[in-house]
Amino acid sequence: QKEVEQDPGPLSVPEGAIVSLNCTYSNSAFQYFMWYRQYSRKGPELLMYTYSSGNKEDGRFTAQVDKSSKYISLFIRDSQPSDSATYLCAMSGNTGGFKTIFGAGTRLFVKA
Amino acid sequence: GAVVSQHPSWVICKSGTSVKIECRSLDFQATTMFWYRQFPKQSLMLMATSNEGSKATYEQGVEKDKFLINHASLTLSTLTVTSAHPEDSSFYICSADTLNIQYFGAGTRLSVL
Repeated sequence: QKEVEQDPGPLSVPEGAIVSLNCTYSNSAFQYFMWYRQYSRKGPELLMYTYSSGNKEDGRFTAQVDKSSKYISLFIRDSQPSDSATYLCAMSGNTGGFKTIFGAGTRLFVKA
Repeated sequence: GAVVSQHPSWVICKSGTSVKIECRSLDFQATTMFWYRQFPKQSLMLMATSNEGSKATYEQGVEKDKFLINHASLTLSTLTVTSAHPEDSSFYICSADTLNIQYFGAGTRLSVL
């Protein structure tokens, strides 16, 4: 079993839809939960990060962490064609030297 | 926000030559930087962890003599692909860690002819 599981998609939605992206994980020591967006032939860009449990909102993006279920989500409201990209979840622990583990990435296509 | 600069963005070289890629943290100090390789439509593959002032830690299967990493300061790490061959053609991405969060460079596309 991988430490982090993420459905690679592709996920195709119409413009304006609400998008839900998810990851599950197995290591209960993870404390930092990140979402990155990667456009083709570019480096990943940090969208949001959350420490421990709870929700965080930034504009059209909402990140949720449910540590009891070992499940994290990223919601995109009013999706736009410019949101078309690969979204990677990532997790790390609290102690020095703790590796960051990345999900495989979900490819999202938002159709105009 | 934390900014990581990676240079060059694209390099073409002849087989047998060496190529150096630079990764700089512009507005923070990074004790630890990372080097990744990414093939088309695939996820990030960690190659090595670069620690300032000490030797890099390479992942299993990565040739340390081919991929030389130097972390000379708290803001600069370099990856040198030595004696490059066409199979080394790929997208290389660096990241720098601050407060348990990694920030990535824009990546370097290496094409070896």
